[in-house]
Amino acid sequence: KNEVEQSPQNLTAQEGEFITINCSYSVGISALHWLQQHPGGGIVSLFMLSSGKKKHGRLIATINIQEKHSSLHITASHPRDSAVYICAVIGFWGGATNKLIFGTGTLLAVQP
Amino acid sequence: DVKVTQSSRYLVKRTGEKVFLECVQDMDHENMFWYRQDPGLGLRLIYFSYDVKMKEKGDIPEGYSVSREKKERFSLILESASTNQTSMYLCASSKVAGLYEQYFGPGTRLTVT
Repeated sequence: KNEVEQSPQNLTAQEGEFITINCSYSVGISALHWLQQHPGGGIVSLFMLSSGKKKHGRLIATINIQEKHSSLHITASHPRDSAVYICAVIGFWGGATNKLIFGTGTLLAVQP
Repeated sequence: DVKVTQSSRYLVKRTGEKVFLECVQDMDHENMFWYRQDPGLGLRLIYFSYDVKMKEKGDIPEGYSVSREKKERFSLILESASTNQTSMYLCASSKVAGLYEQYFGPGTRLTVT
């Protein structure tokens, strides 16, 4: 079983719909990232959060540390939101690094 | 803006060749990482470095080595490329340990024939 699980793996939505992507993890973490990867492109960090909720434009990320669960919401979705969304966690590894454990990603396609 | 650049976007090599993938960051970050990304497996850590000349193995180091002679540059070396090393390779950097974001390069799509 993966330490970081995302659902759904694939998601198709119509433009304007409200979208939710879920991430569950089984390890103790110090923080969680939501990342975005466009086709053929590099990866961009959307959020890093360790508690509560963060909002940036139409994107909202929440985390529940007790339940080991995070969600990424996209309001008023648009075709340009089409991408792979990746959840990644930073554990209590110790040492001089902040290694990430990644989920396998959610492929989102927003149709006009 | 943080810039992480990788030497090639696409690379085609033959089995047995020695392959160098270069990564450069311009933000004076201490940590640098090499990942590979494969469908259904997500990103997996190959090696990371937390200082010049320092390196640690990640989850899948077999068949790879790394070099960090300067703070801004982190190289991934495939000593003898094999077809199962065909993948997308991504470099990332971040400040030293703590809750700092990792910044990713654009990736190198390596095909080994």
